[in-house]
Amino acid sequence: DIVMTQSPDSLAVSLGERATINCKSSQSVLYSSNNKNFLAWYQHKPGQPPKLLIYWASTRESGVPDRFSGTGSGTDFTLTISSLQAEDVAVYYCQQYYETRYTFGQGTKLEIK
Amino acid sequence: EVQLVESGGGLVQPGGSLRLSCTASRFTFSNYWMTWVRQAPGKGLEWVATIKDDGSQKYYVDSVEGRFTVSRDNTKNSLFLQMDSLRAEDTAVYHCVGSTSWAGIFDYWGQGTLVTVSS
Repeated sequence: DIVMTQSPDSLAVSLGERATINCKSSQSVLYSSNNKNFLAWYQHKPGQPPKLLIYWASTRESGVPDRFSGTGSGTDFTLTISSLQAEDVAVYYCQQYYETRYTFGQGTKLEIK
Repeated sequence: EVQLVESGGGLVQPGGSLRLSCTASRFTFSNYWMTWVRQAPGKGLEWVATIKDDGSQKYYVDSVEGRFTVSRDNTKNSLFLQMDSLRAEDTAVYHCVGSTSWAGIFDYWGQGTLVTVSS
């Protein structure tokens, strides 16, 4: 199975500042035939189901604010929140769908400094 | 708006069985792959099982293979998870998840149903 490893495990950022979360896969999730990275990011707030933010590593889901962006390719990926808002406090997960035995990262807890 | 509503969770003894259901509405259920994802208390998200849109292919995480069975009834817009030989480590909130844009992209989630395995 593909192992997804996120860093850091937790992160405290001041309001209005940039937050960066990294995700590394144990093997490439780039599918050569269509040049797409099979990588998604989710936001999970307490008491709510997880919410899809980004898929294909960099495509924002409809309705997701443009302060959220995804970059990376192959095995290394980054979720960036350009200007942290109070409502962004959550746990963030990366997930690969390159293999049907899907796997998530362990999660990164984002808090306000 | 798409709705996925889970039911069937509860308290069960180790070794027991439970059947989870998920009913979809405002959603062309039969067109989409469906998945169960769980979150144990204080832990992260874990993929459990996925079933193809027509039910012809099923996939499981190793820890539930042979104990859990995913199925669906496209005539009733329903997804199921039969859980047998339950263990304490199966205690979690189980979410029903739909993939409408690509298999494996989890774009619709239910609120989840809590399964507690304890004596």
